[in-house]
Amino acid sequence: GAGVSQSPSNKVTEKGKDVELRCDPISGHTALYWYRQSLGQGLEFLIYFQGNSAPDKSGLPSDRFSAERTGGSVSTLTIQRTQQEDSAVYLCASSWTPSNQPQHFGDGTRLSIL
Amino acid sequence: GENVEQHPSTLSVQEGDSAVIKCTYSDSASNYFPWYKQELGKRPQLIIDIRSNVGEKKDQRIAVTLNKTAKHFSLHITETQPEDSAVYFCAARGRDNYGQNFVFGPGTRLSVLP
Repeated sequence: GAGVSQSPSNKVTEKGKDVELRCDPISGHTALYWYRQSLGQGLEFLIYFQGNSAPDKSGLPSDRFSAERTGGSVSTLTIQRTQQEDSAVYLCASSWTPSNQPQHFGDGTRLSIL
Repeated sequence: GENVEQHPSTLSVQEGDSAVIKCTYSDSASNYFPWYKQELGKRPQLIIDIRSNVGEKKDQRIAVTLNKTAKHFSLHITETQPEDSAVYFCAARGRDNYGQNFVFGPGTRLSVLP
């Protein structure tokens, strides 16, 4: 596709369950970012992948959060043992490698923990 | 690391008036400064950007200025319209080194009153 694709668009799950969120970046983009956005709030950085380098995980809020990027393309963000405070919109973005290129965002996954 | 501040957090203007949002950054190595507009329930979308070798850029009713010495940049919207109502995020992107290098400001909620 032409843009960043995220799935599912909405996810409702019970507290304590594990969830997987998927991001398919724009073809050729080597950089991939995950952000979390709570209602009415800003963009909270979670994790950054750049090519084959080790990811920057400095934004992950706890060890229940993890992410991987297979083959330098699709990324999966996993949240284990979900808590109600995990409820938010999870946004993925991708960009070209040069530092003066913009990020392109997907539509996000709205996660609701009951 | 980079730190981006953004002011004001909320801004209300009358339709037809101008709106100005200001951001400051801390890392003098940052060389790319995009602005994103996020409408309610939608993805952030790039509206304009500026690179460090340019002092000003304009696109119809939107302009961005950059002062590298003072490390601040501003978004100017002229002849505001109700559809300009949204949250605006500035960002600064530094060298393409290992690590998260794309930092967003906390956002400005712009309301254009008819």
